Amino acid sequence: QQQVKQSPQSLIVQKGGISIINCAYENTAFDYFPWYQQFPGKGPALLIAIRPDVSEKKEGRFTISFNKSAKQFSLHIMDSQPGDSATYFCAASKAGTASKLTFGTGTRLQVTL
Amino acid sequence: DADVTQTPRNRITKTGKRIMLECSQTKGHDRMYWYRQDPGLGLRLIYYSFDVKDINKGEISDGYSVSRQAQAKFSLSLESAIPNQTALYFCATSDLGQPQHFGDGTRLSIL
Repeated sequence: QQQVKQSPQSLIVQKGGISIINCAYENTAFDYFPWYQQFPGKGPALLIAIRPDVSEKKEGRFTISFNKSAKQFSLHIMDSQPGDSATYFCAASKAGTASKLTFGTGTRLQVTL
Repeated sequence: DADVTQTPRNRITKTGKRIMLECSQTKGHDRMYWYRQDPGLGLRLIYYSFDVKDINKGEISDGYSVSRQAQAKFSLSLESAIPNQTALYFCATSDLGQPQHFGDGTRLSIL
């Protein structure tokens, strides 16, 4: 059972454009929603995270939008750059166990010149 | 030096062999995890440990075992490897309520 569904599987965006990756979850007990970024040959690294008491969190060019009623959250990358080309994973965890994560299936982003 | 070190980085072996993947950390974290990554499936939790005396199964523990030798060391074993265990394996560490930090992975191929 896929508890966190991620789309699209792959994404091609031109430099300067907006990249949008979406995730949906089923378990209403989830209360911590991080995004991880992974470059080839490297492990995932935390990019940005949100808790459901806010609807949006922004860090630089990266923004998480969160819709609790729809059980959806998304990552927006503004002014996408070739250096943003990577695989992105959304994840979720339950109250009190922020460490035990359930991951989405990943989105491979390519930013072209 | 890397905070979370996985060895080996690459391994090719044959069906039926016993394999151990090792993870060591210098971050001083109590919690350690093993995941496998497969194309189109994301990362799936195999085992996790919240301290040296604590071992817990994740969602896909069948065919795997672990050992937490010390706070800084967490090993993953495949007692009798099979081809569908071919994957990229990641170790991660964290403190309570804090983000996980991942190693750079072990690429394992089982022929």
